[in-house]
Amino acid sequence: GQQVMQIPQYQHVQEGEDFTTYCNSSTTLSNIQWYKQRPGGHPVFLIQLVKSGEVKKQKRLTFQFGEAKKNSSLHITATQTTDVGTYFCAVETGANNLFFGTGTRLTVIP
Amino acid sequence: EAQVTQNPRYLITVTGKKLTVTCSQNMNHEYMSWYRQDPGLGLRQIYYSMNVEVTDKGDVPEGYKVSRKEKRNFPLILESPSPNQTSLYFCASSRTYPVSGELFFGEGSRLTVL
Repeated sequence: GQQVMQIPQYQHVQEGEDFTTYCNSSTTLSNIQWYKQRPGGHPVFLIQLVKSGEVKKQKRLTFQFGEAKKNSSLHITATQTTDVGTYFCAVETGANNLFFGTGTRLTVIP
Repeated sequence: EAQVTQNPRYLITVTGKKLTVTCSQNMNHEYMSWYRQDPGLGLRQIYYSMNVEVTDKGDVPEGYKVSRKEKRNFPLILESPSPNQTSLYFCASSRTYPVSGELFFGEGSRLTVL
């Protein structure tokens, strides 16, 4: 079945520093989604990437889909305490469902 | 307000005592799914349903049952809960298959099996 590796598992940053999380697959992906889960909360959809080399921005968040559609990244510029949470990538499997990465837990130190 | 509602939000039970976690969505979504979340393991899919009366196993279906008799409801049934089913459970729905649509998650149900 579909497998996707997400790194790092944890990241602690000083407020104002940048943060990046990566998702890597051994197979070509049709698309990839990103979710954010605040502490004690539920996952919330952030974005979906579909095209090879696609780059999308949401304020301080930049999402990229690799040219080979095997990897993706989420970059946050100048982190704020509101960015705290776990970020998940999710990819479609061949069985019409979504497989989630293990997530990157971001801690922002004020 | 568009939402996915799960109940109960918290439950402590004992081994072997059947329980049901309800899930209801008010968005007329076709696709619904159950996930469990455990530390270090992320979100793992238990069962999913692409429409009424259509359900299928996810990655970790053992010990669980589901039903989809109505479009809006997708209950998760634990016939004989065991301690290894202690977890945080999320129900989610999507307008179509997740390929083309985001998943909307419920707020979660934290289950403890003693």
